[in-house]
Amino acid sequence: QVQLQESGPGLVKPSETLSLTCAVSGYSISSGYYWGWIRQPPGKGLEWIGSIYHSGSTYYNPSLKSRVTISVDTSKNQFSLKLSSVTAADTAVYYCARVAAMGVYYWGQGTLVTVSS
Amino acid sequence: EIVLTQSPGTLSLSPGERATLSCRASQSVSSSYLAWYQQKPGQAPRLLIYGASSRATGIPDRFSGSGSGTDFTLTISRLEPEDFAVYYCQQYGSSPLLTFGGGTKVEIK
Repeated sequence: QVQLQESGPGLVKPSETLSLTCAVSGYSISSGYYWGWIRQPPGKGLEWIGSIYHSGSTYYNPSLKSRVTISVDTSKNQFSLKLSSVTAADTAVYYCARVAAMGVYYWGQGTLVTVSS
Repeated sequence: EIVLTQSPGTLSLSPGERATLSCRASQSVSSSYLAWYQQKPGQAPRLLIYGASSRATGIPDRFSGSGSGTDFTLTISRLEPEDFAVYYCQQYGSSPLLTFGGGTKVEIK
């Protein structure tokens, strides 16, 4: 059973960097698949942020690319998100997920990150 | 960049009725890479359909997907009380890797 669990601060100040980590269990990241981050502002739809392959290749949403860094730590079987220069518009539930061409079957439970001073 | 437009925004139906949800792409999408999700309040989305028409593991057969090219449809043959939720379509491509539609809310009439 593949499980993903997000962790990180629930409150970030404007202009600072949002940092989240996703711990994966039940599957080795090194075995394959893309691993990614998807967010959902309160009451709104889903937005893909970016994904990383186990080899380290990354793909980012063009609208966020200048502010996003996704990295992977295969030794800890986890991957991370950094989003810089955050504003209130970055307030959202952030999900980590295993991404496949067939769809996103495995999701984390989501973590709410609020940007506020 | 592919844009997915879902319609209607809200669908008001009664239990037992048939729901037809539309997802239109701004350019042709490979059927292999079109998926549908259900999301209930406070929960992560759940994969319903992949490859435009294949049901994911454990998904009841009242859910079906169809379509090709730029027009895709999710049909719920007979709405059960637990089916009232928000539904998203999603495509997998080269850049961006994932694109989601804006969602259709299926609410109780």
